[in-house]
Amino acid sequence: DVKVTQSSRYLVKRTGEKVFLECVQDMDHENMFWYRQDPGLGLRLIYFSYDVKMKEKGDIPEGYSVSREKKERFSLILESASTNQTSMYLCASSPQGEGETQYFGPGTRLLVL
Amino acid sequence: SQQGEEDPQALSIQEGENATMNCSYKTSINNLQWYRQNSGRGLVHLILIRSNEREKHSGRLRVTLDTSKKSSSLLITASRAADTASYFCATDARGNFGNEKLTFGTGTRLTIIP
Repeated sequence: DVKVTQSSRYLVKRTGEKVFLECVQDMDHENMFWYRQDPGLGLRLIYFSYDVKMKEKGDIPEGYSVSREKKERFSLILESASTNQTSMYLCASSPQGEGETQYFGPGTRLLVL
Repeated sequence: SQQGEEDPQALSIQEGENATMNCSYKTSINNLQWYRQNSGRGLVHLILIRSNEREKHSGRLRVTLDTSKKSSSLLITASRAADTASYFCATDARGNFGNEKLTFGTGTRLTIIP
């Protein structure tokens, strides 16, 4: 069974804090993704990575950065958290190739006060 | 950018009835996928249909694709209370280096009334 885990289910942070969200997958997938999900907006892609140390901006990268030092781990970093980054964050992974399924973690609900 | 738009945004039906959700998209695709999300959880893949396919079945799920209208529909037959969830369509897109990524729609919230 593919397993994608995220470091926290719920997180509360203060404005201005640096926030790390961690995602680990155990299926040796090349691709990893970070999305945020907000009511009425669906899932929006923040960043994705198709190889170690490789990253590409998604649709809403502003205010975020990522790190992929090892194939199984993809971190999302909020350099200085703001209240408009309060959201549900979802990590996913997939094999390389066309038409591949994305496997999602359970999500991290982040509240920035 | 949002590629897929699901319709309706919310749907409530009686258990045992069929549920139909629609997805429209804007640009050409190679494939379209449907995912399901239980409340507060991650998404789970349901079914994929390729651009050269018109219809696909998986258990109680039936997906159609009309590339001329840039639309897809997901039909769940004989609905059960456990089908209560949000359903998303996702279309493929290409990153700068040709790697595939998905663009998700806004979802349909389905409620099955026992």
